[in-house]
Amino acid sequence: EVQLVESGGGLVKPGSSLKLSCVASGFTFSSYGMHWIRQAPKKGLEWIALIYYDSSNKYYADSVKGRFTISRDNSKNTLYLEMNSLRSEDTAMYYCAKDYGSSFDWWGQGVMVTVSS
Amino acid sequence: DIVLTQSPVLAVSLGQRATISCRASQSVSISSINLMHWYQQKPGQQPKLLIYRASNLASGIPARFSGSGSGTDFTLTIDPVQADDIAAYYCQQSRESLTFGSGTKLEIK
Repeated sequence: EVQLVESGGGLVKPGSSLKLSCVASGFTFSSYGMHWIRQAPKKGLEWIALIYYDSSNKYYADSVKGRFTISRDNSKNTLYLEMNSLRSEDTAMYYCAKDYGSSFDWWGQGVMVTVSS
Repeated sequence: DIVLTQSPVLAVSLGQRATISCRASQSVSISSINLMHWYQQKPGQQPKLLIYRASNLASGIPARFSGSGSGTDFTLTIDPVQADDIAAYYCQQSRESLTFGSGTKLEIK
């Protein structure tokens, strides 16, 4: 059974940094692209980043470009999202998701990030 | 960016058919491949893939769910609707970047 487990969320002040992790199991992690997707409270879904299976390509939504960095460690079956210069509008539940032809076939349970002074 | 438009709420009776629509601001089809996908999200849970590439049922999803459409107009159909289907439904396109619709909340009439 595929499992994706996020961690690293919390309450931080505007302008600070945070690094999220997503540990994968139940599939060959090193063979698949992975995504981060977020959902602000009571709002819809927003895709924010994609990393190819071999880290050869990374793509970002304009809303996070230059502030967030996606990375992965295939030896640890782990996906990361480093978030810098956090803003109140970054407050959201953050999900990691497995790529399936540019759809998302497995999602983690999510980790909450709250940016507030 | 391609904008996906969904009606906010749809109310249906149990046992009836629910038709959820998604309209794209430009075509999301390439040749015969329709790059539209559908997700279900129940309160407090992560989204679940229902349909990929407009009409393909994802693994483990009941045949009550089906998808159709091409170009800019797509539909998710649930027939018959069951109580367990109460959720928000999101469309997502992968033709140009990756964007989601704002979601349709399915309610029981």
